[in-house]
Formats: sequence, C-alpha cells, structure tokens
Amino acid sequence: QKEVEQDPGPLSVPEGAIVSLNCTYSNSAFQYFMWYRQYSRKGPELLMYTYSSGNKEDGRFTAQVDKSSKYISLFIRDSQPSDSATYLCATPSNSGYALNFGKGTSLLVTP
Amino acid sequence: NAGVTQTPKFQVLKTGQSMTLQCAQDMNHNSMYWYRQDPGMGLRLIYYSASEGTTDKGEVPNGYNVSRLNKREFSLRLESAAPSQTSVYFCASSALGKETQYFGPGTRLLVL
Repeated sequence: QKEVEQDPGPLSVPEGAIVSLNCTYSNSAFQYFMWYRQYSRKGPELLMYTYSSGNKEDGRFTAQVDKSSKYISLFIRDSQPSDSATYLCATPSNSGYALNFGKGTSLLVTP
Repeated sequence: NAGVTQTPKFQVLKTGQSMTLQCAQDMNHNSMYWYRQDPGMGLRLIYYSASEGTTDKGEVPNGYNVSRLNKREFSLRLESAAPSQTSVYFCASSALGKETQYFGPGTRLLVL
C-alpha cells in the first residue's frame, strides 16, 4: 500500500465554488502533513503545513486532518481561475528525511 | 535570494549519452533532494543528501549517481541515459530539522 493516496482528478469547478481535495495516508504515526501547489511547468510550492489533528486556515484555504480515519483535506473557498493547478499532499516518509507525495489532483477553475 | 536553481531547463539526449543535472540553493539548507515526476506516478525520490558529505538512495536510484559538492550544490548524473529516464527532474532543499522542502523549477529531460 502506498503511504499516501490521492485521487488524480481532473476536477473542474466554476469560479466561486468551494473545492475539496482529499488524501488518505497509511501510517497512523505521522504527525505532520503538507499541501503543495504546482502550476503547469513549474516546481511544487508549499501551500499549507499542518501538524497533528484539526484545522488550519490561511485566507481562502483550509487544511484539515482527521487522524482517526487517516484522512487529510484541503478546502478552497471562493475558488478563482488562478487556483487552477495540481495540488499534492505530502506526508513524512519512514526514512525520516524525504517526503511521500500523493500523485496530485489536477484542478481547473473555469470563469 | 534565488532559492533553488536548476540547470539546464531542458535537455534532449540520445540513448547512451551522459549528462549532469545541476542544482544549487542559497538558503543555507542542510538537506537536498532529487525527485523525478512522471505522469500518473507523482514525485518519486531518487537520492537525497541529509547533510554535506552524505548521500542516500531513495525510491528509484537505479541509473543515477549524485554528488553533494558542497553545502549549496547537489548534482545528479546519468551515466548512460535510457528512454525510461525521460522525465521532469526536481531538486529540493530543506533546513536542518525542518520538514518543509523548497523546490526548484525543474529540468525537463527527453531521452531518444
């Protein structure tokens, strides 16, 4: 089983919609989780970092962790065409150094 | 402050040719990483260097070698390129004790 699983999409929503992106992870010992955003032909950039359980909000973005079900989510409110990108969730790896990335969900926000 | 830089941006190789991908960071980070990204496969770790002077294999190291030249620079070498190494290669770095990785813009490699 992969350490982190993510639905690849693509996901297409109209501008202004609420977007929900999700990942599941396998190791209940993981304590921190990240969301990266990757625009086409660019490198991934860190979007959100959450530690342990609960919610973290940053502007229109909310990251949520449910450790009981090993489920992490990213919500985007009032989505904009500029949010069109691939979103990657990431968890620690068992090596302790690298990150495990989901395969990414491609999001398209249409005007 | 350029962050993580990679050269070249794009390269075409013939099967059997060799090349070195260069990566440098100016954030004084201890750890550096090389990933490849393929459609449907996501980001996969090739090699990493936890600190200057050390390197370790990641998930897909076969066909690659790395050199941590100094604290700033971490290069990836393909000794004999194969079409299966056609990919986008990303270098990343992270500070000591920090999990957040910062990525470069990537190198697109096509092996014919």
